[in-house]
Amino acid sequence: QQQVRQSPQSLTVWEGETAILNCSYEDSTFNYFPWYQQFPGEGPALLISISSVSDKKEDGRFTIFFNKREKKLSLHITDSQPGDSATYFCAAREGPNYNVLYFGSGTKLTVEP
Amino acid sequence: EAAVTQSPRSKVAVTGGKVTLSCHQTNNHDYMYWYRQDTGHGLRLIHYSYVADSTEKGDIPDGYKASRPSQENFSLILELASLSQTAVYFCASSDKSSQNTLYFGAGTRLSVL
Repeated sequence: QQQVRQSPQSLTVWEGETAILNCSYEDSTFNYFPWYQQFPGEGPALLISISSVSDKKEDGRFTIFFNKREKKLSLHITDSQPGDSATYFCAAREGPNYNVLYFGSGTKLTVEP
Repeated sequence: EAAVTQSPRSKVAVTGGKVTLSCHQTNNHDYMYWYRQDTGHGLRLIHYSYVADSTEKGDIPDGYKASRPSQENFSLILELASLSQTAVYFCASSDKSSQNTLYFGAGTRLSVL
């Protein structure tokens, strides 16, 4: 069963708009949530992360909002740029076995100029 | 900068044949991972390793074996390749001290015919 779920599967926004990517998880022991960005032909790379003790993490145009009670989080990309077009993966780390990351199925973002 | 190198970058194999995917890291990381990427499934963990000469099963280990002969090298072995193993395979490494940030290789595209 999928431990981490993402929606939508694909998203298209215009340049300058805010893109919102959603993620939810099942296991309450998950306590660390990184987001990875993947460009075509490349491996994923860490974009931004949040721990379960925080409800918000900001890094430039990228912000994670975290709701522990609902087991949901979202990645907001403000002032979206064509260079942000990529697939974004939400991931979660299991508390007791913290070196194993579970990934969602990804959201493919397209930013139209 | 972290460096994870995978070889080959692409491979065509015949059903029932043996396939070995190789991964080499120069990060001096203790942890290494093999993930499989399929459209709609995101990244799924096959095998991982904490230390040389030891491997652990991930979420989908069936049909795969792993080998960690040294800290730098981690191989994924398909003893009897099947059509269902057609996918893109990613190797990654991480250091316990870096909040489990995974550094991915560029991937190996495997086609089993």
